[in-house]
Amino acid sequence: NAGVTQTPKFQVLKTGQSMTLQCAQDMNHEYMSWYRQDPGMGLRLIHYSVGAGITDQGEVPNGYNVSRSTTEDFPLRLLSAAPSQTSVYFCASSGTGGAYGANVLTFGAGSRLTVL
Amino acid sequence: QQPVQSPQAVILREGEDAVINCSSSKALYSVHWYRQKHGEAPVFLMILLKGGEQKGHDKISASFNEKKQQSSLYLTASQLSYSGTYFCGTAYSGAGSYQLTFGKGTKLSVIP
Repeated sequence: NAGVTQTPKFQVLKTGQSMTLQCAQDMNHEYMSWYRQDPGMGLRLIHYSVGAGITDQGEVPNGYNVSRSTTEDFPLRLLSAAPSQTSVYFCASSGTGGAYGANVLTFGAGSRLTVL
Repeated sequence: QQPVQSPQAVILREGEDAVINCSSSKALYSVHWYRQKHGEAPVFLMILLKGGEQKGHDKISASFNEKKQQSSLYLTASQLSYSGTYFCGTAYSGAGSYQLTFGKGTKLSVIP
């Protein structure tokens, strides 16, 4: 089982460039989320999706766009990269089988982004 | 509102015990605990629900105090493999697991 797959693992961008971080899961999970992790800040929610075609903003959505055209894929787009977006990005997915709020998050391995 | 974790860091010798706390200013529905080793993804440890239901690993225990809006993770007889950063993630009423708010983490180092 692949679980949650993120690509690329590492990326260096120049300020103003755009790029897409890819996230795919093969567990048929309805819920998917993007988090960013900065030193000493923990994991902060960027955007999330509760199913194909449905997305919403998290705590730190500015500068990021998402879409969910299929259950499997949830890409994160940076339209005009800024140095403040230098971070490690984690994609996570969870199923719907348990009590609401009690479904285990499965994280991808992370994508380390540096914006110069 | 980000939950507050304490302590920020702790160093243990093998075999010693540790407690990590997670406090929220908002009423909690569920608390998740994850461990992250350096350069890796967070890995699930435990979920505690309002009302007392739990699910997680046999060797790790946790508590959920609904009155204090606080959860504690208990690590007993620590092993070298317990080293890592521990995060609590909180879900509030009406929020799903896809909306967890994580604390800043507690770095645990176990030394021989």
